Amino acid sequence: AQRVTQPEKLLSVFKGAPVELKCNYSYSGSPELFWYVQYSRQRLQLLLRHISRESIKGFTADLNKGETSFHLKKPFAQEEDSAMYYCALSSRPFSGGYNKLIFGAGTRLAVHP
Amino acid sequence: DGGITQSPKYLFRKEGQNVTLSCEQNLNHDAMYWYRQDPGQGLRLIYYSQIVNDFQKGDIAEGYSVSREKKESFPLTVTSAQKNPTAFYLCASTFATSGDLNEQFFGPGTRLTVL
Repeated sequence: AQRVTQPEKLLSVFKGAPVELKCNYSYSGSPELFWYVQYSRQRLQLLLRHISRESIKGFTADLNKGETSFHLKKPFAQEEDSAMYYCALSSRPFSGGYNKLIFGAGTRLAVHP
Repeated sequence: DGGITQSPKYLFRKEGQNVTLSCEQNLNHDAMYWYRQDPGQGLRLIYYSQIVNDFQKGDIAEGYSVSREKKESFPLTVTSAQKNPTAFYLCASTFATSGDLNEQFFGPGTRLTVL
C-alpha cells in the first residue's frame, strides 16, 4: 500500500539546535517526494521536492531509497521555522489515471528561544 | 495571497443539511483537489478533477459530491450522508497532467462545524 509515515506529532527544539523531521514512505514504484509547510495563519505551501535537490530556507531533504526515507533537516533552527510540516508522496498509477499526492499526518515543529 | 480562493471561511451546518463549499482559481490550472484536514491525520483526498466535466473519487469520497462545470471552479457539497463532517477543508490546484505532478497551490481553507 502507498503510505507516508511521519512518526513524530511534535518536535520541540531550541533556537540554534539541529532539526530532523522524519518521513518514511511505502511505494512500489519510483517515488516523487515533497515537503509542504504551513505557518501559523498562512496557507499550506511547498517547501521543497526531492527531484530539484534544492535547499530552501536552510532546509534540505535527501531521498534514501534503501531506507525508504525522506527526512527534512536543518543544521540550525530558527524561531520562524515553527510550523506544521507535511511530507507527501506523488502517487503514479501503473495504468492510466492521474497523479495525486498522499500526505503524512504532519509534524509540528516548535522552536523555542 | 490570491489565485485560489475558498468561501466561506467558517460554515455552520445543522445535522441533516447539505452545504456547498466554494473553490475558485484564476491561475489557469487544469487540476483541482479537495482535501479534508483533521488533527493528527494530515490531509486526506476527497475528490480531484484534472479537466472540466471530469472528476475522480479520492480516498474518502463517501458523503461528498463535486462538480467541475468550469475550469476555474470546483465546488464541494457535504451531504447529510457524511457521518462526521466537522473538519477543515482545503482546496488545491495545479498544472498537473497525467505525466507529471507540479506544485499544488492551496486555498486558505473552510472550517465546517456541524451543530
